[in-house]
Order: sequence, then structure tokens, then C-alpha cells
Amino acid sequence: NAGVTQTPKFRILKIGQSMTLQCTQDMNHNYMYWYRQDPGMGLKLIYYSVGAGITDKGEVPNGYNVSRSTTEDFPLRLELAAPSQTSVYFCASSYNPGSTEAFFGQGTRLTVV
Amino acid sequence: DAKTTQPPSMDCAEGRAANLPCNHSTISGNEYVYWYRQIHSQGPQYIIHGLKNNETNEMASLIITEDRKSSTLILPHATLRDTAVYYCIVRSITGANSKLTFGKGITLSVRP
Repeated sequence: NAGVTQTPKFRILKIGQSMTLQCTQDMNHNYMYWYRQDPGMGLKLIYYSVGAGITDKGEVPNGYNVSRSTTEDFPLRLELAAPSQTSVYFCASSYNPGSTEAFFGQGTRLTVV
Repeated sequence: DAKTTQPPSMDCAEGRAANLPCNHSTISGNEYVYWYRQIHSQGPQYIIHGLKNNETNEMASLIITEDRKSSTLILPHATLRDTAVYYCIVRSITGANSKLTFGKGITLSVRP
């Protein structure tokens, strides 16, 4: 069991470039989440998914897109990178139903210059 | 709108119990109390959760008041490695409130 795997670990983007942050989990979890964490701040929910084919917006979805074509994968897409998107991005997954824990990846540190 | 309130920070001596409070006065009947922690820049780590009964595991104990409006996470013998940001979260298991939403958390500093 690898758990939640995020790639890449680090990335520097130029303003206006696009990229996809990858997230894969091998625990057959239904719920998956994307968060961003700015320096010294708590985690903000960007998007989440309750199952394959179903996604919904979180607190800060602007500038991002997601898809959930399989249970395992939940990629996060940045179309036109802006300096305000410089942050650490965390992906997480959890079972549904049930009051169980969420498992987090190790994060992707993104810098937009 | 915040569903939980926590003090911004606290400290305790190594080897002593750390008692981290959390208020969740608007918690509804189907919402659980979860605690996570984040050590430095790592991904958050699950600690414990509960509905109304007190819970204990190998990491910590969770004490929930009878009216469920507040709870306390107890680390019985804090070590330097317990220095982290601790997040108290209320979450239902289904529906719109089932997503994990993090507040600012409480920064625990364990001193030697």
C-alpha cells in the first residue's frame, strides 16, 4: 500500500503556464480532496470528490479544475498560473461511508514566478 | 463560517500532559469531532475522532462534553516530536458537511 501519492514534489512555473498536479491513491477510497496551504496558514479546500465522475467546489476553487474519471486518480489542473497560486498543495483521500480518517499525500510545493 | 474555535497557541513541558481545547457549540447530532495534526510542512496526520463518547488510542485521548459543545484532546506524555499544529474539525459522515474543512488550528510547542 503506497497510500496517497502526489507528483511532482516541487515545481516552478512561469506566469500563464499550465500544469497538472497528479494524485493517486491505492486504498479504494471514494472521497478525495485537494487543499492548498499558504505560508503560516491553515489548509483551504479547493475541490473534492465523493466518487468517480462526481466533483464539487470547495472554499477556493477559482483558477483550478479537477476531474475524477477513476476511483484512484484525482488530478488538479492549473490553466493560467498566477503568482497567487504559489502554495503547497495537498491531496487527501478517505472512505465513505463511515467516520474514518483521511490520508494525506506529502504535498507539492508550487512556485509561480 | 468557522465551526470550531481553538486558541492560537499553547505550550507544555516535555513529559507532561498536553490538553488542547476546542469549542464547537453549533455541532449537530450527526457530526463527529476529528483531530488532525501537521508537523512542520508535512501532510496532516489523523489522530482521533469521536461522536459523543470519550475515545482513546495509542496517540491520544479525546474527551467530549456531555452537551457536545466542546472537546479536549489529551496527549498524555508530550514529547518534542509532538510540537505541531493541531486541528479540531467537525464533520458529518454524509452530505454537504462531510468534507474535511480545516481552520487555523492551535500551535502546540513542547519545551524541553
